[in-house]
Amino acid sequence: QLQESGPGLVRPSETLSLTCGVSGGSINHYYWSWVRQAPGKGLEWVGYIYTSGKTTYNPSLKSRITMSVDTSKNQFSLKLNSVTATDTATYYCARLLYLSLTVVYFDLWGQGTLVTVSS
Amino acid sequence: SYILTQPPSVSVAPGRTARFTCGGDNIENKRVNWYQQKPGQAPMLVVYNDNDRPSGIHERFSGSNSANTATLTISGVEAGDEADYYCQVWDINSDLPAVFGGGTKLAVL
Repeated sequence: QLQESGPGLVRPSETLSLTCGVSGGSINHYYWSWVRQAPGKGLEWVGYIYTSGKTTYNPSLKSRITMSVDTSKNQFSLKLNSVTATDTATYYCARLLYLSLTVVYFDLWGQGTLVTVSS
Repeated sequence: SYILTQPPSVSVAPGRTARFTCGGDNIENKRVNWYQQKPGQAPMLVVYNDNDRPSGIHERFSGSNSANTATLTISGVEAGDEADYYCQVWDINSDLPAVFGGGTKLAVL
């Protein structure tokens, strides 16, 4: 089970910080991801992190993102800096399952948390 | 980056068959995954690897992939199937490896 936590309101130009707690199993040896969804829009992949700390980010967000993992707490985190209104979205954490180089999918999802960027 | 194209909406009467298309260049060379998202809920995986179902997903859900179009099929549509459906592929050679289609809204008449 995955559970997002973090502020629901962030001021423009500040940093959005979210954490995803993993329960019911170990965080180790999996890829973990963030996916966001602007109100009324589709799904947008934000990035992923492996439990070794290796990351890959969406190129459109790469300059503003940092993802990290804390295996001792069974959680991983997202920081997105210099936010604007266009970053307003529901942010989902998800487990990314790698069956092979081509068979890769999101098999577990958190319930999502709405983050609004507004002054 | 790779682009997936989905029609915005599909309408089907209860008991009939709903088909959702996902277009992409030579998509048959990729493995397609499908997610169902009901209003106010997180997405849920319903088909992976073109035509495999996760545990707990009814056999009414099936997938296919050929040429430039992948298809999710729901047979015997029920009111509870009303949702948005998203296709997704993993493009290992891209700097944007996880790609979603724009989603298709299913209306059960």
